[in-house]
Amino acid sequence: DSGVTQTPKHLITATGQRVTLRCSPRSGDLSVYWYQQSLDQGLQFLIQYYNGEERAKGNILERFSAQQFPDLHSELNLSSLELGDSALYFCASSAGLAGKETQYFGPGTRLLVL
Amino acid sequence: ELKVEQNPLFLSMQEGKNYTIYCNYSTTSDRLYWYRQDPGKSLESLFVLLSNGAVKQEGRLMASLDTKARLSTLHITAAVHDLSATYFCAVGPNFNAGNMLTFGGGTRLMVKP
Repeated sequence: DSGVTQTPKHLITATGQRVTLRCSPRSGDLSVYWYQQSLDQGLQFLIQYYNGEERAKGNILERFSAQQFPDLHSELNLSSLELGDSALYFCASSAGLAGKETQYFGPGTRLLVL
Repeated sequence: ELKVEQNPLFLSMQEGKNYTIYCNYSTTSDRLYWYRQDPGKSLESLFVLLSNGAVKQEGRLMASLDTKARLSTLHITAAVHDLSATYFCAVGPNFNAGNMLTFGGGTRLMVKP
């Protein structure tokens, strides 16, 4: 158990809908990262937050947005869902900002868009 | 754009044998990570390599980093069935603008008894 929690574990929804994925980082970690894992794209970085502020952006679609709250938990919002958004979404956390420490991954949320 | 390539993508080996997984990356970086993923599970951190020539070992796994060659290796010694999993290398950016990881495509390892 990495100490990173994610809810829900599974999510089934329809095209065009909007969902919210939630992540709580390890105690004391200030950085939260979101990654998407799919068969065709592999593991891709989406976005990083540090202490409430966006710090780095990867291949995140405009339909997707994220935020980190004062209690450091983070939410990833996916809207106007398409079939191709079906994937495993991981949250990871680390202690610092741009340090070289390990990123610890949560159990993931498996999203299926029908 | 940073690209990370792993090979082989799939590896089937007998218990007791040795093998090496290779991870090449395209631009300068001073941080490389190895993760393990079991089917349907999360990623488990194995090693963090932060300097040229770094070598780390845990049990039957040993990882090394050559930043000049932009190459990391994960060596498996005397493989056992429990090592069956997918192994990913990931590279961090070599500048202070976040710590996003770029992952390789993964190496699926199957160890047969």
